[in-house]
Amino acid sequence: EPEVTQTPSHQVTQMGQEVILRCVPISNHLYFYWYRQILGQKVEFLVSFYNNEISEKSEIFDDQFSVERPDGSNFTLKIRSTKLEDSAMYFCASSTRPGDTEAFFGQGTRLTVV
Amino acid sequence: ILNVEQSPQSLHVQEGDSTNFTCSFPSSNFYALHWYRWETAKSPEALFVMTLNGDEKKKGRISATLNTKEGYSYLYIKGSQPEDSATYLCAFRTDSWGKLQFGAGTQVVVTP
Repeated sequence: EPEVTQTPSHQVTQMGQEVILRCVPISNHLYFYWYRQILGQKVEFLVSFYNNEISEKSEIFDDQFSVERPDGSNFTLKIRSTKLEDSAMYFCASSTRPGDTEAFFGQGTRLTVV
Repeated sequence: ILNVEQSPQSLHVQEGDSTNFTCSFPSSNFYALHWYRWETAKSPEALFVMTLNGDEKKKGRISATLNTKEGYSYLYIKGSQPEDSATYLCAFRTDSWGKLQFGAGTQVVVTP
C-alpha cells in the first residue's frame, strides 16, 4: 500500500542551526502539507503546497520556514535557524486533491532543539 | 481561530464493550470533517471523510455520524478490541483548499 515516508524519524539539533526535514509523498498525489504537534498540544497546520508553490500558510510559518519540492518526488521543510520552541513532531501529508478527500500522513519526524 | 473540541480526552474500555466519543466544531462555514486513528509511533490513519449533514460512515466495527447544523460528530466503536487502542483525532475543514484544524484527540485504551 502506498505511504508517505519521512526522514529522519528523530533529529536533535542545536539552537540556531538549520534543519531540513524530508518527505516522500505518495507518487500520484498533487497536494502536500506540513503539520506539527508540540508535545501536549493539538496538531497544527503549517503550510500547504500545490503546483510548486505555497497555497496557504499559517502564522507559524514565518520567514524561518521554507518548503521545496526539489526533484519531483521529495518534499522538504527547512527551518533556517531553529529555536527551542520549534521542538515538535513534524508531519508531512499528501492528497490527490484537497477538500473532501483523505490526506495521508507520514509517521512524523521528532525534532528536538537543544 | 476555529475551535475543534473532542471529548472525553481519554477513556478506558473493557474488551468487548462498545464506546463512543464526540468531536465538536463550528457549525458555520463547514466543508468537511475528517476522522483519523493514530497509534503511537505510526502514521495517523484516515478513517472517514464526512461532508453531508446526516452522513453515516462505517469501517468494520467503527462508525461515525455527522450533524453539521449543530456542529458535532460521533465516533462509535462496537465490541472494542485491544487493537482499537489509539488516539482518535477529528479535523475540520472550512473550504476545499482549507487546512485541517485538529482537535486534541480522544485516547482510547482497550483492556483485555
